[in-house]
Amino acid sequence: DVKVTQSSRYLVKRTGEKVFLECVQDMDHENMFWYRQDPGLGLRLIYFSYDVKMKEKGDIPEGYSVSREKKERFSLILESASTNQTSMYLCASSFRQANSYEQYFGPGTRLTVT
Amino acid sequence: TQLLEQSPQFLSIQEGENLTVYCNSSSVFSSLQWYRQEPGEGPVLLVTVVTGGEVKKLKRLTFQFGDARKDSSLHITAAQPGDTGLYLCAGQTSGSRLTFGEGTQLTVNP
Repeated sequence: DVKVTQSSRYLVKRTGEKVFLECVQDMDHENMFWYRQDPGLGLRLIYFSYDVKMKEKGDIPEGYSVSREKKERFSLILESASTNQTSMYLCASSFRQANSYEQYFGPGTRLTVT
Repeated sequence: TQLLEQSPQFLSIQEGENLTVYCNSSSVFSSLQWYRQEPGEGPVLLVTVVTGGEVKKLKRLTFQFGDARKDSSLHITAAQPGDTGLYLCAGQTSGSRLTFGEGTQLTVNP
């Protein structure tokens, strides 16, 4: 079974702090993604990566950066956390299977910024 | 970004009832996936459909991909409380990115 793990299930940070969210997958997938999920807004893509050291902006990259130094690890960084970044953060990985890319998600990190 | 619209947004039914969730877009997708998410957890893949008109069954769940590959439906027969969750459809256009619908929150009451 594919396993995607995230470093924390719950996190509380103060406004202005630098926040690191870590994601690790154990299936050698080339693609990794960071989403945030908010009520009524669904899953919104922040950043994704299709290879080591490669990254692409998603739909809402402002206020975030990412790092992928190793294939299995994809980190999301909030340079200076703000209250509007309070959300559920989901990491996913995928690989090409026939004509589709199926995504496998971690359990999520619920981040609260006070 | 392509838009994927799911309906209904909320659904509350009694155990044993049937239901259908719809996922519609003006875009053509090379594949479409359905996920279920339980509270406090990440979404879990249920099925992938890739061919227009394709129908896949997973026990009491039936998934259909529209002929034009722009829409999909999920039908649940004789719903059970264990089916409760957020159902998400996601379409793939090109590359590895998926576009997600906003989800349908299903509650099945015993």
